[in-house]
Amino acid sequence: SQTIHQWPATLVQPVGSPLSLECTVEGTSNPNLYWYRQAAGRGLQLLFYSVGIGQISSEVPQNLSASRPQDRQFILSSKKLLLSDSGFYLCAWSVSHYGYTFGSGTRLTVV
Amino acid sequence: AQSVAQPEDQVNVAEGNPLTVKCTYSVSGNPYLFWYVQYPNRGLQFLLKYITGDNLVKGSYGFEAEFNKSQTSFHLKKPSALVSDSALYFCAVRGSNDYKLSFGAGTTVTVRA
Repeated sequence: SQTIHQWPATLVQPVGSPLSLECTVEGTSNPNLYWYRQAAGRGLQLLFYSVGIGQISSEVPQNLSASRPQDRQFILSSKKLLLSDSGFYLCAWSVSHYGYTFGSGTRLTVV
Repeated sequence: AQSVAQPEDQVNVAEGNPLTVKCTYSVSGNPYLFWYVQYPNRGLQFLLKYITGDNLVKGSYGFEAEFNKSQTSFHLKKPSALVSDSALYFCAVRGSNDYKLSFGAGTTVTVRA
């Protein structure tokens, strides 16, 4: 069966520090991968998506970047965090039209 | 462009009463429609989807949704709500030729005992 792993679950980072969040998928090949941010427990904002290794589409210009070094690995990064980067980050994968499967999320607090 | 509207920020119902969470959408082409539920500090859990076929879709935990093409709606329903149904609910849509899923702003459901 397919599973998605996202870590860490919580993270507190100072302003100006780097960020690396990792997401891996098991049990499927060539998934579409997504990073979302959820602010204040409400709406979801699509940050990046990828339909293949090395392919990244950015939805919103910002202080973040994404990479897909392997088929089932998706990484969200920042060189210097801002206070406004705080939020709940969700990774998801999909194949065909079967909707998304979400990871358990990372709560990032920038202080 | 595709979009989803969930007109109610909050829905409050008594346990045992019917629950309805409203959703309307806009998309080019045929819609793929989804409902997800989120509990505090957790990821989103899939409830049900409409891709094609019967307009009434049954999903997890006794939830169902009805696809109405003329009204571009996909309302979520449960005949008898439970306190444990209290959570944040998201409607989502994607076009049949699109990779991206667009989410509504979410509706907080509170079921009182």
